[in-house]
Amino acid sequence: KNQVEQSPQSLIILEGKNCTLQCNYTVSPFSNLRWYKQDTGRGPVSLTIMTFSENTKSNRRYTATLDADTKQSSLHITASQLSDSASYICVVPRSGTYKYIFGTGTRLKVLA
Amino acid sequence: DGGITQSPKYLFRKEGQNVTLSCEQNLNHDAMYWYRQDPGQGLRLIYYSQIVNDFQKGDIAEGYSVSREKKESFPLTVTSAQKNPTAFYLCASKSTGELFFGEGSRLTVL
Repeated sequence: KNQVEQSPQSLIILEGKNCTLQCNYTVSPFSNLRWYKQDTGRGPVSLTIMTFSENTKSNRRYTATLDADTKQSSLHITASQLSDSASYICVVPRSGTYKYIFGTGTRLKVLA
Repeated sequence: DGGITQSPKYLFRKEGQNVTLSCEQNLNHDAMYWYRQDPGQGLRLIYYSQIVNDFQKGDIAEGYSVSREKKESFPLTVTSAQKNPTAFYLCASKSTGELFFGEGSRLTVL
């Protein structure tokens, strides 16, 4: 069954701390994985894409990893800011189809 | 600026009424999607359109209808047949595999 599972469901951290969000997938065939950030009441916005051959990619304070063998991805946020408070959604397209499989997201809250 | 515009942002509906959510894009994308988002669940596909005058049902199409008469527009009608329509609705378009989302429309049934 094609699934994307994210953990934890929710996370509370203090401003300036680091955190790591996890995404496990069983989507086949697989070509890439995306992380989206969704502010409350807004539409999701793409943070990064991880293709099959990539292991690590950084974008400002966000670092994504992909292990295609274990079918796991992580999103590490460094030196968190209040503006990082949002839901982070892992999305995997089913290669060769129009379908995207969405995780349920991790709701991150950063406290001052 | 290029993007996807959804309207209205908030909508209230009485039971038995049909309502239409607007989705307009100026990104020149062929493919467009409608998703429904409920708390604690991943986005679920309602309808998908790959090209003008063509669309396919997604996983939860019952009680919904769409049209695609223009490339830029993909409106979603929530009919009275939809038993639990209160949700956050997201429209998206696709380019080279990436989904671009609108800001969403929150529908509440009174």
